[in-house]
Amino acid sequence: AQSVTQLDSHVSVSEGTPVLLRCNYSSSYSPSLFWYVQHPNKGLQLLLKYTSAATLVKGINGFEAEFKKSETSFHLTKPSAHMSDAAEYFCVVSPPWGDKVIFGPGTSLSVIP
Amino acid sequence: SQTIHQWPATLVQPVGSPLSLECTVEGTSNPNLYWYRQAAGRGLQLLFYSVGIGQISSEVPQNLSASRPQDRQFILSSKKLLLSDSGFYLCAWSPGQGVETQYFGPGTRLLVL
Repeated sequence: AQSVTQLDSHVSVSEGTPVLLRCNYSSSYSPSLFWYVQHPNKGLQLLLKYTSAATLVKGINGFEAEFKKSETSFHLTKPSAHMSDAAEYFCVVSPPWGDKVIFGPGTSLSVIP
Repeated sequence: SQTIHQWPATLVQPVGSPLSLECTVEGTSNPNLYWYRQAAGRGLQLLFYSVGIGQISSEVPQNLSASRPQDRQFILSSKKLLLSDSGFYLCAWSPGQGVETQYFGPGTRLLVL
């Protein structure tokens, strides 16, 4: 069985400060992990994905995430928040064979000017 | 390149009326296709997924149904809408076989009154 936990339903940061969005997973297999972003009334866009290669994954818009097997975590970070980063972020786990993925409940990121 | 289309973008329907939402994918063949619903302020709920023409798996019992009449066409339907069917409906596709990055359409906002 697989599950995804996003520890914070809402995160608020000031523009220019670091962003940390937390994600923990549970999986019986070696999973693939993804982060998606959803801006208001839009579809989801892939930020980055981990597929058992390098544990530090760099994505679009300056985001990166580190896979830590010992902590079963895949936290999303960005050194400096921009106003355009305000959105909903979803952590996703996929089994090795794909076909269905599990979405976390999402974290809403607010960026304060 | 691959693109995914959904229509309509917005829909307001009375309770008890029928529903048909359409999703089409271009630039790929034999994709896996998915329908998700996102209720206000909540995460994504997988409704249906399909690995081929005429092959539909339902994840949540409800008054919705899905069909895949063509390889790259996925339709979400209802005979009689309920108030609880209101939400944001997202279609997604993935390449099939192996690690499954999902690519999302722009979504349909459905309001049932």
